[in-house]
Amino acid sequence: NAGVTQTPKFRILKIGQSMTLQCTQDMNHNYMYWYRQDPGMGLKLIYYSVGAGITDKGEVPNGYNVSRSTTEDFPLRLELAAPSQTSVYFCASTYNPTAYYEQYFGPGTRLTVT
Amino acid sequence: RKEVEQDPGPFNVPEGATVAFNCTYSNSASQSFFWYRQDCRKEPKLLMSVYSSGNEDGRFTAQLNRASQYISLLIRDSKLSDSATYLCAVNSYNAGNMLTFGGGTRLMVKP
Repeated sequence: NAGVTQTPKFRILKIGQSMTLQCTQDMNHNYMYWYRQDPGMGLKLIYYSVGAGITDKGEVPNGYNVSRSTTEDFPLRLELAAPSQTSVYFCASTYNPTAYYEQYFGPGTRLTVT
Repeated sequence: RKEVEQDPGPFNVPEGATVAFNCTYSNSASQSFFWYRQDCRKEPKLLMSVYSSGNEDGRFTAQLNRASQYISLLIRDSKLSDSATYLCAVNSYNAGNMLTFGGGTRLMVKP
């Protein structure tokens, strides 16, 4: 199993540009999450999904959109990039978050908006 | 008050030392608790879950104190390789059953 994969690893965007961060997991997990981590800070939840076709907002959803058309994929869309979106983005998935199941993280995408 | 709080550190300790971190949480309905380890410029990885009765994994011991709403992590006989940021995470079984993470505690083990 590859686990959780993310592309790209790095990206530099100009203000106002848009991009999609890709996330794929091969563990057949229903629950998937997008976090952002600013330097020296913890993880903040952007969006989450409890299964294909179902998504909901987390703590910091403004400026982002998601879709979940398949169990495997959970892309994050940035529209009109702003410098405040400079961060490291992690995708994660888990089998059953109501029990002591591990949340698996992808390697992250480092995004700089200038 | 933040939902999950940690002392950011850094904690600078010599090899072989014992070091302990605490993490406080504000939601008394929180149900499950975890410690994650994050190496520099890497993704978080689960270190250990924290059970009500406390649990140990080699040099690492995790405790839960529901009355005072905190979890702790004790590392004995610190190794250079323990240098990392330790994130606590709490699941309150709210909508989406999402984890709420603390800001992390940075540990630096010196020779």
